[in-house]
Amino acid sequence: AQRVTQPEKLLSVFKGAPVELKCNYSYSGSPELFWYVQYSRQRLQLLLRHISRESIKGFTADLNKGETSFHLKKPFAQEEDSAMYYCALSRDSGGGADGLTFGKGTHLIIQP
Amino acid sequence: KAGVTQTPRYLIKTRGQQVTLSCSPISGHRSVSWYQQTPGQGLQFLFEYFSETQRNKGNFPGRFSGRQFSNSRSEMNVSTLELGDSALYLCASSGQAGDEQFFGPGTRLTVL
Repeated sequence: AQRVTQPEKLLSVFKGAPVELKCNYSYSGSPELFWYVQYSRQRLQLLLRHISRESIKGFTADLNKGETSFHLKKPFAQEEDSAMYYCALSRDSGGGADGLTFGKGTHLIIQP
Repeated sequence: KAGVTQTPRYLIKTRGQQVTLSCSPISGHRSVSWYQQTPGQGLQFLFEYFSETQRNKGNFPGRFSGRQFSNSRSEMNVSTLELGDSALYLCASSGQAGDEQFFGPGTRLTVL
């Protein structure tokens, strides 16, 4: 069965510092990887997905199949980045029929 | 376009009772997925419906069931409630497989 691991429950960095949220997965096939974000009192929303290769709000994530990782990075953290971040995996192209497998999440706190 | 709506937002039940939760997807979306979120287990996939058919089911007991109507609205039912069923239940909708999933605000179920 597939699994997603986010080793840090809590990550605190200062504004302007680089941010890296770690995500490792286990799945024998070719998964699709996502990062979801939940800001305070807001809904869970998609931040980015690896197939789109976009940079959203300054965040990027590269799928490393050799290391089975999909770490989320941002060079300069901003206070509005404080939120819960979830890494998720889908065995199909969109997490539709098969559902998404989520990591336990990392609470990112950006200190002023 | 209105987002995914879930009703009720909060619910308190006692052990042994049953409960029905409702999810209205974004207009035009045909896929609805349900997830359970708890502090211990995180976000876990329950099941997914597409055009009134359940396409896949997560690893939950048969007490958890669902259905989808012709207008794509979905309900999930939990029978013989247990204390461990206390959780936030999220639904997500998408247009087609491969499309982004949009999450609702969730229904907070408390079992006493």
